[in-house]
Amino acid sequence: DAGITQSPRHKVTETGTPVTLRCHQTENHRYMYWYRQDPGHGLRLIHYSYGVKDTDKGEVSDGYSVSRSKTEDFLLTLESATSSQTSVYFCAIRQGGGENTEAFFGQGTRLTVV
Amino acid sequence: KNQVEQSPQSLIILEGKNCTLQCNYTVSPFSNLRWYKQDTGRGPVSLTIMTFSENTKSNGRYTATLDADTKQSSLHITASQLSDSASYICVVTFYGGSQGNLIFGKGTKLSVKP
Repeated sequence: DAGITQSPRHKVTETGTPVTLRCHQTENHRYMYWYRQDPGHGLRLIHYSYGVKDTDKGEVSDGYSVSRSKTEDFLLTLESATSSQTSVYFCAIRQGGGENTEAFFGQGTRLTVV
Repeated sequence: KNQVEQSPQSLIILEGKNCTLQCNYTVSPFSNLRWYKQDTGRGPVSLTIMTFSENTKSNGRYTATLDADTKQSSLHITASQLSDSASYICVVTFYGGSQGNLIFGKGTKLSVKP
């Protein structure tokens, strides 16, 4: 599993509250990603990081922010959760380069906004 | 625009039968293509990787093909088992700095019935 841990695994929160999801890796990978997965949409990129304090937006970044102050941790924050952010969130790391590039995923976090 | 399209969206087959899943991509410059298997409630896991020079690769009952000229790949599953029930996701890696270099298809949901 490339040493990826997501926390929490499940969370229920109320609309308008801030929520932070954590992704922790133990193998010093440079690239880390946050995706959300919804029925009919597959995995969609929210934000990604290519180093400490280096992040960029993905295709569905509105309403989300990220931070990476250490190589091993990539945090995803919903500043003010909305019902449309109910989803399963996956963290991933990228291992290797060029033709050998492979993504490894965490176990996922199921977030419900009520 | 870099895109990965998969078909069919879903598929139901009887145990023991074969099936083929399709992936078409418009990603450039191409680095590699991976097929991932995602069991319900779990993160995706890589099944096989195809690089530009490879046409066919097998992993047990899974055989992937790649036609780099037409930008098409297929995943053939032989003698299906109940444990093959999952979503199969085609992921193309490309050279360049945007989107973290990974483009995901929406997946094909395979159900194997006894």
